[in-house]
Amino acid sequence: QLQLQESGPGLVKPSETLSLTCTVSGGSISSNSYYWGWIRQPPGKGLEWIGSIYYSGSTYSNPSLKTRVTLSVDTSKNHFSLKLNSVTAADTAVYYCASEVRNYNYFDYWGQGTLVTVSS
Amino acid sequence: SYELTQPPSVSVSPGQTASITCSGDKLGDKYAYWYQQKPGQSPVLVIFQDTKRPSGIPERFSGSNSANTATLTISGTQAMDEADYFCQAWDSNTAWVAFGGGTKLTVL
Repeated sequence: QLQLQESGPGLVKPSETLSLTCTVSGGSISSNSYYWGWIRQPPGKGLEWIGSIYYSGSTYSNPSLKTRVTLSVDTSKNHFSLKLNSVTAADTAVYYCASEVRNYNYFDYWGQGTLVTVSS
Repeated sequence: SYELTQPPSVSVSPGQTASITCSGDKLGDKYAYWYQQKPGQSPVLVIFQDTKRPSGIPERFSGSNSANTATLTISGTQAMDEADYFCQAWDSNTAWVAFGGGTKLTVL
């Protein structure tokens, strides 16, 4: 069974870059069965998909965030990462990483989530 | 983008059947997925590919999807089922993972 764990700063200043890493255990990030996704949830609100990456580096992302999002994967460390630049208070949210079943595009395993607050 | 619409809230009495809908353009032509989220916890997949239950999900959870509406049905609802429920679909035309706005299920 896959386990995913997000890590990164819990506080980011406005206009700076949010950086998070998701470490995968219980399976290989190089699996051809999965994409690896990021989803966020502002406090008290719904889920918003940010983007997804395959182990080869192929990505697709939410058009509303695409210009600010960078996704990367490190197969040697079995982890993948998210960078979101030029953050504002509107980017304050719990950020989840999840395994996305390839060819069906749903999320079967989720990390515990990490709250990132954008504030000076 | 592709939009999915859910009712903000649904109430049900213990032991009764709860139905939560998710509407989207030609949603029946896509697969619908459902997640349960309890306060302070991560979402948990409860239905995939319209009607299938992951291992460990009780049989009282079922799903259907036709035309423009997917439905999550919880039969014999229990207090432990009180949670937020989110539907999700994949729109291949726009390469977009869409989530519904979520439905708060209250068991009272």
